[in-house]
Amino acid sequence: EVQLVESGGGLVQPGGSLRLSCAASGFTFSYYWMSWVRQAPGKGLEWVANIKPDGTEKSYVDSVKGRFTISRDNAKNSLYLQMNSLRAEDTTLYYCVREDKNTFDVWGQGTMVTVSS
Amino acid sequence: DIVMTQSPDSLAVSLGERATINCKSSQSVLYRSNNKNFLAWFQQKPGQPPKLLIYWASTRESGVPDRFSGSGSGTDFTLTISSLQAEDVAVYYCQQNYSGKTFGQGTKVEIK
Repeated sequence: EVQLVESGGGLVQPGGSLRLSCAASGFTFSYYWMSWVRQAPGKGLEWVANIKPDGTEKSYVDSVKGRFTISRDNAKNSLYLQMNSLRAEDTTLYYCVREDKNTFDVWGQGTMVTVSS
Repeated sequence: DIVMTQSPDSLAVSLGERATINCKSSQSVLYRSNNKNFLAWFQQKPGQPPKLLIYWASTRESGVPDRFSGSGSGTDFTLTISSLQAEDVAVYYCQQNYSGKTFGQGTKVEIK
């Protein structure tokens, strides 16, 4: 079964840091572009970042550039999101997502990040 | 960035009736080299992640019931549920992957 399982979310103070992880299984992780997509409670969806299969190419939404870093470890079938200088507006559910067919075809259940003092 | 605008924001449809959701992009999402529209539709039920329904504007994802169909090209797209079932109550999003990756604001579908 194709599966993505996120972890690492939690409560952090403004200006703090957090590292999200995503464990992939059931498919050849190293073949796929991977993304993080976020969703504030009761709100819409926002793509955050993505990374090429070999990790050599990364893209970010403007609102997180310079603060977030996406990375992967293909040997561990894992995707990461290092989040620094966190702001209240980063409080959302973060989904790990596989890219295929020029869209997002497999989603994890998400991990919640709350930025609050 | 390409802005995706869905209409309506919500709609209520009787069981067995047709539901139609529109999505308009601020610029074309048609990739000329392969003649594919980089436009997808997702369904999201409460407490669940989004589920891919349609990609390349009109190709149904494996396992998606054939009452769901997508159409359109360029900047104007439509998701149609031909005969609404109770389990189709959800929020539906369109998404483009042509330049950046942006979603519409969502359309909530309810039973009338």
